[in-house]
Amino acid sequence: EAQVTQNPRYLITVTGKKLTVTCSQNMNHEYMSWYRQDPGLGLRQIYYSMNVEVTDKGDVPEGYKVSRKEKRNFPLILESPSPNQTSLYFCASSLGRGFNQPQHFGDGTRLSIL
Amino acid sequence: KNEVEQSPQNLTAQEGEFITINCSYSVGISALHWLQQHPGGGIVSLFMLSSGKKKHGRLIATINIQEKHSSLHITASHPRDSAVYICAVAGGSNYKLTFGKGTLLTVNP
Repeated sequence: EAQVTQNPRYLITVTGKKLTVTCSQNMNHEYMSWYRQDPGLGLRQIYYSMNVEVTDKGDVPEGYKVSRKEKRNFPLILESPSPNQTSLYFCASSLGRGFNQPQHFGDGTRLSIL
Repeated sequence: KNEVEQSPQNLTAQEGEFITINCSYSVGISALHWLQQHPGGGIVSLFMLSSGKKKHGRLIATINIQEKHSSLHITASHPRDSAVYICAVAGGSNYKLTFGKGTLLTVNP
């Protein structure tokens, strides 16, 4: 089954403790992206990747890192999480150039930073 | 930066009604996406448009590039259509998506 898999689905942690949210897709998609969703602000793009070893900042990249060492995986790293990073996070992938292809979303990861 | 405005923010309808959700954007785009998010659920892509009109079942999406406006229509609405509908636009020379804040649709039986 074609899918985008995020882990964990839920995480409660404390300020400053490094964490990684994994994202994996099995559709051989070139484009992958991370978004956060906050009440009243909607979805905002954090980082995106056009292909292996090619990443770039979205609108809200501060406090996040990403890597794209393999085509299928695009982990989101919070080196020193802070409470303002408490949010619902979505990973997505698409064929080719992401902006002119349908996006396939993961089920989301709800992060709470205390 | 592209500004994306959706209207209305909230919409309540009776089952069977025809629904229209609007999306306007400020800068020329290469594509526009309509997404659906059920309460507590994930996000599903409904349409990707760069011109004209698309139809899938009871859902119809249109876009007017000159007016920088898109509409999502739902015919014969059903309670299972209750969800947040999100418009997102992709710029011409970059690979970012900018999202509207969403429209919460509630369809009562």
